[in-house]
Amino acid sequence: EPEVTQTPSHQVTQMGQEVILRCVPISNHLYFYWYRQILGQKVEFLVSFYNNEISEKSEIFDDQFSVERPDGSNFTLKIRSTKLEDSAMYFCASSPLSKALENSPLHFGNGTRLTVT
Amino acid sequence: AQTVTQSQPEMSVQEAETVTLSCTYDTSESDYYLFWYKQPPSRQMILVIRQEAYKQQNATENRFSVNFQKAAKSFSLKISDSQLGDAAMYFCAYNPSQGAQKLVFGQGTRLTINP
Repeated sequence: EPEVTQTPSHQVTQMGQEVILRCVPISNHLYFYWYRQILGQKVEFLVSFYNNEISEKSEIFDDQFSVERPDGSNFTLKIRSTKLEDSAMYFCASSPLSKALENSPLHFGNGTRLTVT
Repeated sequence: AQTVTQSQPEMSVQEAETVTLSCTYDTSESDYYLFWYKQPPSRQMILVIRQEAYKQQNATENRFSVNFQKAAKSFSLKISDSQLGDAAMYFCAYNPSQGAQKLVFGQGTRLTINP
């Protein structure tokens, strides 16, 4: 079964550094998402992306964050100047359709654990 | 804003027994979707079961079933004949019917299966 893949599985970076988290969504999916889970807290929606632009974003997704689909397969999340509070598990997800219809549930990747020191 | 609450941080059950995980949510919408996701140690979020709010019939997927009480805004997950592979973190999630799949998650319930 096709999967969403994320790299790296664990990223350690120093505060103030830029970091790029990478995701390869399922190939025929059109909608892409980033979620994050701070340790011990809820999984939170960050941003959704369709047709090469952001369709929705949360309050968390401020100017420090950006997303990009640089080619036909990758979907990236960039954090420009990381802060300690950006330490979290970041999940990429994709779906074939915009709505949670029966045939279009979200498929999540295994996540990237980001540690900011 | 919508919220999802899972009041059981941890649950345990004997192998082959039945366990029910609780979830309540708050929304002013009448049409929406509800999900249970499983997160094993591998960290991947795996969809277990989904329920559409306009459907009165409770969803079932093999050993997994839900008790959806729309008026009470309750969405519990029942796992029958628990297996060791069911051990995981379980998240309840709400999704509005319109717009992006902007899931609102509960805090999660860690389920342990005792052999």
